[in-house]
Amino acid sequence: QSVLTQPPSASGTPGQRVTISCSGSSSNIGRNYVYWYQQLPGTAPKLLIYRSNQRPSGVPDRFSGSKSGTSASLAISGLRSEDEADYYCSVWDDSLSGQVFGGGTRLTVL
Amino acid sequence: QLQLQESNPGLVKPSETLSLTCTVSGGSISSSSYYWGWIRQPPGKGLEWIGSIHYSGRTYYNPSLKSRVTISVDTSNNKFSLKLRSVTAADTAVYYCMGAAAGTGVDSWGQGTLVAVSS
Repeated sequence: QSVLTQPPSASGTPGQRVTISCSGSSSNIGRNYVYWYQQLPGTAPKLLIYRSNQRPSGVPDRFSGSKSGTSASLAISGLRSEDEADYYCSVWDDSLSGQVFGGGTRLTVL
Repeated sequence: QLQLQESNPGLVKPSETLSLTCTVSGGSISSSSYYWGWIRQPPGKGLEWIGSIHYSGRTYYNPSLKSRVTISVDTSNNKFSLKLRSVTAADTAVYYCMGAAAGTGVDSWGQGTLVAVSS
């Protein structure tokens, strides 16, 4: 059972906008930055969003992150077939004194 | 651009110690702004943070693994290591070494190495 709750799956058609949620608590999302990672099949994860809403250089602006209270979201606009992957949220948990991950959301592009 | 490469022990017997090393190239492991560590992923499952270390030696461990884990850094050889004691089949996973700039997330990953625990 993950400390952070993500929907196990999400889907959309090319060009659509999809959002993936990440629900936590006051000891993690409520007080710390959220990070989002994309994992394509058979590869290492890749950083998509840092500090809740910042994109590393090279990440398309189709990807955006937001945070409100104890929840965070990743939005992908202009969905493309290459966005089909697993997405994970991650945050430092002050109560556990450790980094925690959500269970992951598998995004399918129909 | 940092590059990280895990060693590959492959198979470890139950109750023994899993040992992995990550070699860092393209930058110094002694960078004050970086944390180094390990994340694992059991087959078909999600990511689990194992722990992190700063070159100064300060460590942070997953509470659920803390009693069995040691992460250390070798600044002279630009490497860091993981030891996980008393392994069981539940420790079978792809192990990733990683580098995280303070406050900006894990921006460097090794390719991952599958470690199987089996007799």
